[in-house]
Amino acid sequence: EVQLVESGGTLVQPGGSLRLSCAASGFPFSNYWMYWVRQAPGKGPEWVSRVSGDGSTTSYADSVQGRFSMSRDNTKDTLHLQMNSLRAEDTAVYYCARDHWGWAFDHWGQGTLVTVSS
Amino acid sequence: QSALTQPPSASGSPGQSVTISCTGTSSDVGGYNFVSWYQQHPGKAPKFLIYEVNKRPSGVPDRFSGSKSGNTASLTVSGLQAEDEADYYCSSHGGSDNLYVFGTGTKVTVL
Repeated sequence: EVQLVESGGTLVQPGGSLRLSCAASGFPFSNYWMYWVRQAPGKGPEWVSRVSGDGSTTSYADSVQGRFSMSRDNTKDTLHLQMNSLRAEDTAVYYCARDHWGWAFDHWGQGTLVTVSS
Repeated sequence: QSALTQPPSASGSPGQSVTISCTGTSSDVGGYNFVSWYQQHPGKAPKFLIYEVNKRPSGVPDRFSGSKSGNTASLTVSGLQAEDEADYYCSSHGGSDNLYVFGTGTKVTVL
Protein backbone atom coordinates (compact mmCIF):
# COMPACT_ATOMS: atom_id res chain seq x y z
CA GLU A 1 0.00 0.00 0.00
CA VAL A 2 1.32 3.42 -0.96
CA GLN A 3 1.85 5.64 2.08
CA LEU A 4 3.06 9.22 2.27
CA VAL A 5 3.52 10.81 5.69
CA GLU A 6 4.41 14.48 6.00
CA SER A 7 5.97 16.12 9.04
CA GLY A 8 7.57 19.37 10.13
CA GLY A 9 4.69 21.80 9.94
CA THR A 10 4.40 24.35 12.73
CA LEU A 11 3.91 28.03 13.57
CA VAL A 12 6.73 30.21 12.25
CA GLN A 13 7.28 33.96 12.15
CA PRO A 14 7.33 35.92 8.88
CA GLY A 15 10.81 35.82 7.41
CA GLY A 16 11.57 32.54 9.11
CA SER A 17 12.55 29.15 7.73
CA LEU A 18 11.11 25.67 7.98
CA ARG A 19 11.93 22.23 6.59
CA LEU A 20 9.15 19.79 5.76
CA SER A 21 9.68 16.07 5.25
CA CYS A 22 7.64 13.32 3.61
CA ALA A 23 8.32 9.64 4.30
CA ALA A 24 7.25 7.34 1.49
CA SER A 25 6.61 3.61 1.53
CA GLY A 26 4.86 0.89 -0.44
CA PHE A 27 6.30 1.69 -3.88
CA PRO A 28 9.69 2.03 -5.65
CA PHE A 29 10.30 5.60 -4.53
CA SER A 30 13.18 6.42 -6.87
CA ASN A 31 11.06 5.53 -9.92
CA TYR A 32 8.63 8.37 -9.38
CA TRP A 33 8.56 12.13 -9.75
CA MET A 34 7.20 13.62 -6.55
CA TYR A 35 5.42 16.85 -5.72
CA TRP A 36 4.58 19.29 -2.98
CA VAL A 37 1.10 20.78 -3.21
CA ARG A 38 -0.32 23.24 -0.70
CA GLN A 39 -3.82 24.30 0.22
CA ALA A 40 -4.54 27.54 2.05
CA PRO A 41 -7.52 27.53 4.43
CA GLY A 42 -10.77 27.51 2.46
CA LYS A 43 -8.95 27.57 -0.89
CA GLY A 44 -8.16 25.11 -3.67
CA PRO A 45 -4.86 23.26 -3.94
CA GLU A 46 -1.82 25.02 -5.39
CA TRP A 47 1.13 23.19 -6.94
CA VAL A 48 4.38 24.19 -5.23
CA SER A 49 7.24 22.09 -6.60
CA ARG A 50 8.30 18.84 -8.19
CA VAL A 51 11.43 16.68 -8.30
CA SER A 52 12.49 13.95 -10.70
CA GLY A 53 13.04 10.38 -9.57
CA ASP A 54 16.81 10.75 -9.34
CA GLY A 55 16.59 14.21 -7.78
CA SER A 56 18.46 15.93 -10.60
CA THR A 57 15.57 18.06 -11.87
CA THR A 58 13.35 20.38 -9.88
CA SER A 59 10.67 22.92 -10.80
CA TYR A 60 8.88 25.52 -8.72
CA ALA A 61 5.78 27.67 -8.86
CA ASP A 62 6.50 31.37 -9.41
CA SER A 63 5.10 32.10 -5.95
CA VAL A 64 7.90 30.18 -4.23
CA GLN A 65 10.73 30.35 -6.77
CA GLY A 66 13.95 31.43 -5.07
CA ARG A 67 12.59 30.87 -1.55
CA PHE A 68 11.75 27.14 -1.48
CA SER A 69 14.00 24.21 -2.33
CA MET A 70 12.83 20.64 -2.87
CA SER A 71 15.07 17.61 -2.53
CA ARG A 72 14.88 13.88 -1.99
CA ASP A 73 16.91 11.12 -0.36
CA ASN A 74 16.33 7.90 -2.27
CA THR A 75 18.36 5.92 0.29
CA LYS A 76 15.73 6.81 2.90
CA ASP A 77 12.67 7.15 0.66
CA THR A 78 12.21 10.67 1.92
CA LEU A 79 11.24 13.98 0.36
CA HIS A 80 12.11 17.41 1.75
CA LEU A 81 10.94 20.97 1.25
CA GLN A 82 13.20 23.72 2.60
CA MET A 83 11.17 26.91 2.97
CA ASN A 84 12.93 30.23 3.54
CA SER A 85 11.77 33.84 3.79
CA LEU A 86 8.31 32.67 4.75
CA ARG A 87 5.36 35.00 4.27
CA ALA A 88 1.84 35.06 5.67
CA GLU A 89 0.54 33.90 2.29
CA ASP A 90 2.55 30.68 2.63
CA THR A 91 0.17 29.60 5.39
CA ALA A 92 -1.38 26.33 4.22
CA VAL A 93 -1.59 22.60 4.61
CA TYR A 94 1.33 21.15 2.67
CA TYR A 95 0.85 17.78 1.00
CA CYS A 96 3.40 15.58 -0.68
CA ALA A 97 1.99 13.70 -3.65
CA ARG A 98 3.13 11.05 -6.10
CA ASP A 99 3.19 11.53 -9.85
CA HIS A 100 0.80 9.74 -12.19
CA TRP A 101 2.28 9.63 -15.69
CA GLY A 102 3.53 13.18 -15.61
CA TRP A 103 0.48 15.35 -15.17
CA ALA A 104 -1.59 14.15 -12.24
CA PHE A 105 -1.22 13.32 -8.55
CA ASP A 106 -2.32 9.80 -7.68
CA HIS A 107 -1.48 9.47 -3.99
CA TRP A 108 -1.42 12.19 -1.35
CA GLY A 109 -0.21 12.29 2.22
CA GLN A 110 -2.39 13.51 5.07
CA GLY A 111 -0.74 16.94 5.01
CA THR A 112 1.14 19.07 7.53
CA LEU A 113 0.01 22.56 8.56
CA VAL A 114 2.36 25.51 8.19
CA THR A 115 1.23 28.75 9.81
CA VAL A 116 3.21 31.91 9.19
CA SER A 117 2.28 34.57 11.71
CA SER A 118 3.82 36.87 14.27
CA GLN B 1 -0.96 31.40 -11.37
CA SER B 2 -4.59 31.88 -12.50
CA ALA B 3 -6.91 29.22 -11.15
CA LEU B 4 -9.31 27.34 -13.39
CA THR B 5 -12.92 28.44 -12.89
CA GLN B 6 -15.44 26.08 -11.31
CA PRO B 7 -18.96 26.79 -10.03
CA PRO B 8 -18.90 27.18 -6.24
CA SER B 9 -21.65 24.65 -5.67
CA ALA B 10 -23.73 21.90 -7.27
CA SER B 11 -26.35 19.58 -5.89
CA GLY B 12 -28.54 16.63 -6.68
CA SER B 13 -30.74 14.05 -5.05
CA PRO B 14 -29.58 10.46 -4.44
CA GLY B 15 -29.56 8.53 -7.69
CA GLN B 16 -29.45 11.64 -9.86
CA SER B 17 -26.47 13.00 -11.81
CA VAL B 18 -24.49 16.16 -11.31
CA THR B 19 -22.01 17.73 -13.73
CA ILE B 20 -19.23 20.11 -12.68
CA SER B 21 -17.51 22.38 -15.18
CA CYS B 22 -13.88 23.52 -15.16
CA THR B 23 -13.11 26.44 -17.45
CA GLY B 24 -9.64 27.48 -18.44
CA THR B 25 -7.96 28.81 -21.54
CA SER B 26 -6.24 27.54 -24.66
CA SER B 27 -3.00 27.64 -22.65
CA ASP B 28 -4.16 25.04 -20.17
CA VAL B 29 -7.40 23.03 -20.41
CA GLY B 30 -7.86 23.68 -24.12
CA GLY B 31 -4.25 23.08 -25.03
CA TYR B 32 -3.59 19.72 -23.43
CA ASN B 33 -5.42 16.49 -22.63
CA PHE B 34 -3.93 16.55 -19.13
CA VAL B 35 -7.01 17.36 -17.07
CA SER B 36 -7.43 15.52 -13.78
CA TRP B 37 -10.08 15.59 -11.06
CA TYR B 38 -9.91 15.16 -7.31
CA GLN B 39 -12.47 14.60 -4.54
CA GLN B 40 -11.85 16.03 -1.09
CA HIS B 41 -13.86 15.36 2.04
CA PRO B 42 -13.57 17.86 4.93
CA GLY B 43 -10.26 17.58 6.75
CA LYS B 44 -8.96 14.94 4.36
CA ALA B 45 -6.44 14.86 1.55
CA PRO B 46 -7.64 15.02 -2.04
CA LYS B 47 -8.43 11.70 -3.70
CA PHE B 48 -7.51 10.98 -7.33
CA LEU B 49 -10.60 10.44 -9.53
CA ILE B 50 -9.84 11.10 -13.20
CA TYR B 51 -6.71 11.65 -15.31
CA GLU B 52 -6.05 12.61 -18.93
CA VAL B 53 -9.58 14.05 -19.21
CA ASN B 54 -11.58 10.83 -19.03
CA LYS B 55 -9.51 7.95 -17.64
CA ARG B 56 -10.32 6.38 -14.29
CA PRO B 57 -7.64 4.95 -12.01
CA SER B 58 -8.29 1.46 -10.73
CA GLY B 59 -10.71 1.45 -7.82
CA VAL B 60 -12.66 4.54 -8.87
CA PRO B 61 -16.31 3.68 -9.59
CA ASP B 62 -17.55 4.13 -13.14
CA ARG B 63 -20.14 6.56 -11.75
CA PHE B 64 -17.40 9.15 -12.17
CA SER B 65 -16.68 10.24 -15.72
CA GLY B 66 -14.80 13.08 -17.38
CA SER B 67 -14.96 14.93 -20.67
CA LYS B 68 -13.66 18.05 -22.38
CA SER B 69 -14.84 20.47 -25.03
CA GLY B 70 -12.62 23.34 -26.02
CA ASN B 71 -11.41 25.20 -22.94
CA THR B 72 -13.91 23.55 -20.59
CA ALA B 73 -13.59 20.18 -18.90
CA SER B 74 -16.41 18.47 -17.02
CA LEU B 75 -16.83 15.85 -14.33
CA THR B 76 -20.10 13.94 -14.13
CA VAL B 77 -21.12 12.00 -11.05
CA SER B 78 -23.94 9.61 -11.89
CA GLY B 79 -26.13 7.75 -9.42
CA LEU B 80 -25.32 10.20 -6.64
CA GLN B 81 -24.68 8.66 -3.25
CA ALA B 82 -24.44 10.29 0.17
CA GLU B 83 -20.68 9.68 0.28
CA ASP B 84 -20.24 11.74 -2.91
CA GLU B 85 -20.90 14.88 -0.89
CA ALA B 86 -17.51 16.59 -0.97
CA ASP B 87 -15.43 19.27 -2.65
CA TYR B 88 -14.23 18.55 -6.18
CA TYR B 89 -11.21 20.11 -7.87
CA CYS B 90 -9.98 19.98 -11.43
CA SER B 91 -6.36 20.39 -12.47
CA SER B 92 -4.62 20.87 -15.78
CA HIS B 93 -1.15 21.18 -17.23
CA GLY B 94 -0.68 24.85 -17.94
CA GLY B 95 2.34 24.91 -20.20
CA SER B 96 5.96 25.59 -19.39
CA ASP B 97 5.23 28.76 -17.42
CA ASN B 98 2.51 27.26 -15.24
CA LEU B 99 3.10 23.57 -15.01
CA TYR B 100 0.09 22.59 -12.94
CA VAL B 101 -2.99 24.71 -12.29
CA PHE B 102 -5.94 23.79 -10.10
CA GLY B 103 -9.57 24.82 -10.16
CA THR B 104 -11.39 26.96 -7.62
CA GLY B 105 -13.38 24.00 -6.36
CA THR B 106 -17.02 22.93 -6.35
CA LYS B 107 -18.91 21.80 -3.28
CA VAL B 108 -21.32 19.01 -4.17
CA THR B 109 -24.30 18.56 -1.89
CA VAL B 110 -26.45 15.43 -1.95
CA LEU B 111 -29.97 16.60 -1.09
